Amino acid sequence: AQTVTQSQPEMSVQEAETVTLSCTYDTSESDYYLFWYKQPPSRQMILVIRQEAYKQQNATENRFSVNFQKAAKSFSLKISDSQLGDAAMYFCAYRSTSHLNSGGSNYKLTFGKGTLLTVNP
Amino acid sequence: DAGITQSPRHKVTETGTPVTLRCHQTENHRYMYWYRQDPGHGLRLIHYSYGVKDTDKGEVSDGYSVSRSKTEDFLLTLESATSSQTSVYFCAISGTGRGYTFGSGTRLTVV
Repeated sequence: AQTVTQSQPEMSVQEAETVTLSCTYDTSESDYYLFWYKQPPSRQMILVIRQEAYKQQNATENRFSVNFQKAAKSFSLKISDSQLGDAAMYFCAYRSTSHLNSGGSNYKLTFGKGTLLTVNP
Repeated sequence: DAGITQSPRHKVTETGTPVTLRCHQTENHRYMYWYRQDPGHGLRLIHYSYGVKDTDKGEVSDGYSVSRSKTEDFLLTLESATSSQTSVYFCAISGTGRGYTFGSGTRLTVV
């Protein structure tokens, strides 16, 4: 079974600075998807960024980018020019790409325990 | 969130009572999931469905059952609620593509 580890329960950053959130995972599969989700106090789960394992290029979405190291099974999230609105819980998640004829179990997301990001003004 | 709604948003119930949470989607997605979120645990899969009447257990399924009688609805039932089931419950939907959409969550308190 896949596991996802976020080793930083809490992180803090000064507004306008850069912060990196860590995520490692364990899998025997060669193709999969990785995600970072943001959960603000509103409780809504918001997709921040997605990476497909077969793509070597690191995904980027505006101020958010990832450092995907497939051999090391590492998937860190970098937030540049941090803003007060970035304060939230961040979850790293893994999803297989294989399909089973009998069901969708390999489409489930496996989450890390989360990193609470505080942004200081 | 667009295309998926959960009800109720909040619920307080007594130990030993049955509770049903509802997830409704308008996206016609095949896959539906119930997760629970607890501090220090992230989100953990309770049950999921890969079609009408097709369901399977996740990693924390004890004490929960589910039903899916039509594509758009996925019900999560706590047959006899316990304090350990106090949590925030999320429903999610997924097509055969890469995306997931989450509901707004239900905060359940068992007293």
